[in-house]
Amino acid sequence: RKEVEQDPGPFNVPEGATVAFNCTYSNSASQSFFWYRQDCRKEPKLLMSVYSSGNEDGRFTAQLNRASQYISLLIRDSKLSDSATYLCVVNFNKFYFGSGTKLNVKP
Amino acid sequence: GAGVSQSPSNKVTEKGKDVELRCDPISGHTALYWYRQSLGQGLEFLIYFQGNSAPDKSGLPSDRFSAERTGGSVSTLTIQRTQQEDSAVYLCASSLSSGDTDTQYFGPGTRLTVL
Repeated sequence: RKEVEQDPGPFNVPEGATVAFNCTYSNSASQSFFWYRQDCRKEPKLLMSVYSSGNEDGRFTAQLNRASQYISLLIRDSKLSDSATYLCVVNFNKFYFGSGTKLNVKP
Repeated sequence: GAGVSQSPSNKVTEKGKDVELRCDPISGHTALYWYRQSLGQGLEFLIYFQGNSAPDKSGLPSDRFSAERTGGSVSTLTIQRTQQEDSAVYLCASSLSSGDTDTQYFGPGTRLTVL
């Protein structure tokens, strides 16, 4: 079983839509959680950390459910520029990356 | 400040040749990671250095792969007797430590093509 699992998508949504991604992790002792964004043929870049109480950064909201071992990312009012692959990352002594969820935002 | 840098940005080599890929982490970052990403795939962990501790080599796919980190800074990933299946983007990342709130910062990667 993979340490981190994500739906690969793609998610095809119109501009302005709200879209949500989930990610599950296998190690209940995992310590920290992140969402990274990766554009085509570019390196991953940190989008946001995920805190136990949930956190928001503009149009992006991240949630953590430790009991069910999943993390979510909600994007409101999608923009064309949000098109990318979103990587779920979990830290337990080292970083474990999901294989990513591809988002296509269309006009 | 300067981010993580990697060189070369692109490397084309012939099957059977050895290659060396270099990573310069962010100054002061004690943790350094190497990953591999094949086209359209997720990141595959290769090796992790943390300070002066023995590296975690659990992700290296074969004994043709090795890495070192000199003076706790620059790292070199070496692939001996390259095979076509080694073709991928090799990404390096560094973080301040391995602590539970530390963020990884990635370099731009080295795109390796084995003919």
